[in-house]
Amino acid sequence: RKEVEQDPGPFNVPEGATVAFNCTYSNSASQSFFWYRQDCRKEPKLLMSVYSSGNEDGRFTAQLNRASQYISLLIRDSKLSDSATYLCVVNQHNFNKFYFGSGTKLNVKP
Amino acid sequence: GAVVSQHPSRVICKSGTSVKIECRSLDFQATTMFWYRQFPKQSLMLMATSNEGSKATYEQGVEKDKFLINHASLTLSTLTVTSAHPEDSSFYICSARDPGESSGNTIYFGEGSWLTVV
Repeated sequence: RKEVEQDPGPFNVPEGATVAFNCTYSNSASQSFFWYRQDCRKEPKLLMSVYSSGNEDGRFTAQLNRASQYISLLIRDSKLSDSATYLCVVNQHNFNKFYFGSGTKLNVKP
Repeated sequence: GAVVSQHPSRVICKSGTSVKIECRSLDFQATTMFWYRQFPKQSLMLMATSNEGSKATYEQGVEKDKFLINHASLTLSTLTVTSAHPEDSSFYICSARDPGESSGNTIYFGEGSWLTVV
């Protein structure tokens, strides 16, 4: 079983739509959680960390459900520029282990 | 966020030659850096964890004699692809953890290096 699993998509949504991605992780000892955005042929860039109480940054909301071992990313009012692949990253107790999901591709269409 | 720089961004080399890729943390000291490889339309694959002043830790299936990693200073790690072959052509990305951040475990990526072996 993979450490981190994501639906690869693609999610094709119209501009202005709300879209949500989930990511499940297998190790209950995981401590830190992140969402990264990767544009085509570019490096991943940190979008936001995911805190236990949930957190929001503008149109983006991240949540953590430890009981069910998943994190989510909600994007409201989608923009064309949101089109990218979204990677979830999980860090386990050992700081030197970061596990990546395979990414979820989002296409926002006019 | 912290800044990680990678060089070169693109390199083309002949089969059988070696290529060195550098990864630098520009505004923090990184005791640990990570090297990944990403094939088109695939996810990042961790190759090795580079620890300053000690040997790198390689993931299963990654040949340490082929992918030489050196982390001689707190701001520089290098990946050398030795005796490169066309199947080594890929996008290589480094990342580093900024221990100075409050969480201490956010990682930042270099811009990546496209390697093409002809």
